Amino acid sequence: SQQGEEDPQALSIQEGENATMNCSYKTSINNLQWYRQNSGRGLVHLILIRSNEREKHSGRLRVTLDTSKKSSSLLITASRAADTASYFCATDAGGFKTIFGAGTRLFVKA
Amino acid sequence: GAVVSQHPSWVICKSGTSVKIECRSLDFQATTMFWYRQFPKQSLMLMATSNEGSKATYEQGVEKDKFLINHASLTLSTLTVTSAHPEDSSFYICSARDIADTQYFGPGTRLTVL
Repeated sequence: SQQGEEDPQALSIQEGENATMNCSYKTSINNLQWYRQNSGRGLVHLILIRSNEREKHSGRLRVTLDTSKKSSSLLITASRAADTASYFCATDAGGFKTIFGAGTRLFVKA
Repeated sequence: GAVVSQHPSWVICKSGTSVKIECRSLDFQATTMFWYRQFPKQSLMLMATSNEGSKATYEQGVEKDKFLINHASLTLSTLTVTSAHPEDSSFYICSARDIADTQYFGPGTRLTVL
C-alpha cells in the first residue's frame, strides 16, 4: 500500500520559476528519498534525507524534512524545460521496504 | 556506481501466455530484491520482496500464483507473469539492495498483453 501522499498532483510553471512539491507520510521512517521519472522511463535517484536531518541541498534541489509533521518538500530552483518529469517521494520505514508516494507531475514551459 | 539491469526492456505477448522478466544486479550481490508495478500516470506499487534462497513475500492483494518470483542467486531475481491478461499490461520495475542497504532500481520492463 502507498504510504506517501504528494501534492500537488500536477504542477505547471514557466521556465525560470521555482517548483515546490510536498510529500506526507504516515509512519516513522529511517529516511526519505526523492526520485524523478521521465515518461515511460526508469527512476533517477535525486536525493536522500535521513530522519535526523532537516534540510539537504544538491545543486538546484533543496529538500526539507519535518518528522513531527511527517512531511517533506522538494524545491527545484530556476526550473528548466528539461526538469519536466514526474517526481516521487519514497520512504524507508525499515523492514527493507521502500514505499512510494503518488507523485507530482511537473511541466515546465519553455 | 551499482547497476541493476532488467530483461527484456519491453515485451508484447498474447493473452494467456506467460512472460518472464529478469532482474540482475551487475556488480554487487543482493540478498533482497523488490518488484514494483506501475500503471500509466500512477506511482510505483510494491508487489513483492524477493529473498535469495527463500520464498518471496507478497504485498496484500498481489496474487502469488499469478506473479511467480524466483531469487535463485545473489544477482538474479525473476518475475513470471503467468497466464497474462490485458489488465496485466504495465511497467514492471525491480530494485536491489546492496550490503550497505543502498537501493538501486532497474530501468523497467514494459509489458503489453494483447
